[in-house]
Amino acid sequence: QVQLVQSGAEVKKPGASVKVSCKASGYTFTSYGISWVRQAPGQGLEWMGWISAYNGNTNYAQKLQGRVTMTTDTSTSTAYMELRSLRSDDTAVYYCARGRYSYGPDYWGQGTLVTVSS
Amino acid sequence: ETTLTQSPAFMSATPGDKVNISCKASQDIDDDMNWYQQKPGEAAIFIIQEATTLVPGIPPRFSGSGYGTDFTLTINNIESEDAAYYFCLQHDNFPHTFGQGTKLEIK
Repeated sequence: QVQLVQSGAEVKKPGASVKVSCKASGYTFTSYGISWVRQAPGQGLEWMGWISAYNGNTNYAQKLQGRVTMTTDTSTSTAYMELRSLRSDDTAVYYCARGRYSYGPDYWGQGTLVTVSS
Repeated sequence: ETTLTQSPAFMSATPGDKVNISCKASQDIDDDMNWYQQKPGEAAIFIIQEATTLVPGIPPRFSGSGYGTDFTLTINNIESEDAAYYFCLQHDNFPHTFGQGTKLEIK
C-alpha cells in the first residue's frame, strides 16, 4: 500500500533552516511527483510547491521563491523540503503528498510540526 | 490565484443525517476539484476527484457535485466515523489552492 512517512517534529530559531523528509513506499517513486503543503495554527492549507520525482522539475509558490528548495533522492524514494530564513509565521504542520503535475494529491503523509520560536 | 470559499466552517450532525459542504471558486475551474477527509493526527484521505468521481474504496454515502465555480460534497446517512475535517482543493491552475475547511462533528 502507498505510504508517505515524514520526519519528526522540529523546533527552530528565527533565521534558521529546516529540512523535512518524506519517505515513500508502495509504488514506483519516479512515476509521481510530491507536493508540499503546510497548515499554520488556526489557518487553512497552503500549497508550497511540487517536485517531479522523475526529473526533479519544480514549481514553487511565488511567496516562497528563494526560501524553499524541494529535492528528491530516487535511491531511497525520499523527498525533501528545505525552508530557509525561518520566521515565526512559518510555524505550521508541513505535509507531503503524492501527485502528478496539474492533478491534486492522492496520498498524504502524516505531517511534520515545525515550530519557529526564539 | 483562485480563491476557494468553503462553508460552513463547522457543522454538527446526527447519525443518519445528510450533510452538504460547499466550496465556491473565484473563477471557473471546470471540474478540477478534489475533496479530502482528515482526522486528527492522521494522513488526509482522498475521497472525491474531478468534482464528482468517488475515489475507489470510499463508501458510496459520499458524493460530489458541481462544475465551474460551485461545488458540493454530500454525505448521506452520516455515521459516527465521518467526524472529521473536510477540505476542498482546486488543481485547475497554479498555485493549487484550498478551501478553509469544515469541521464536522457527530452528536
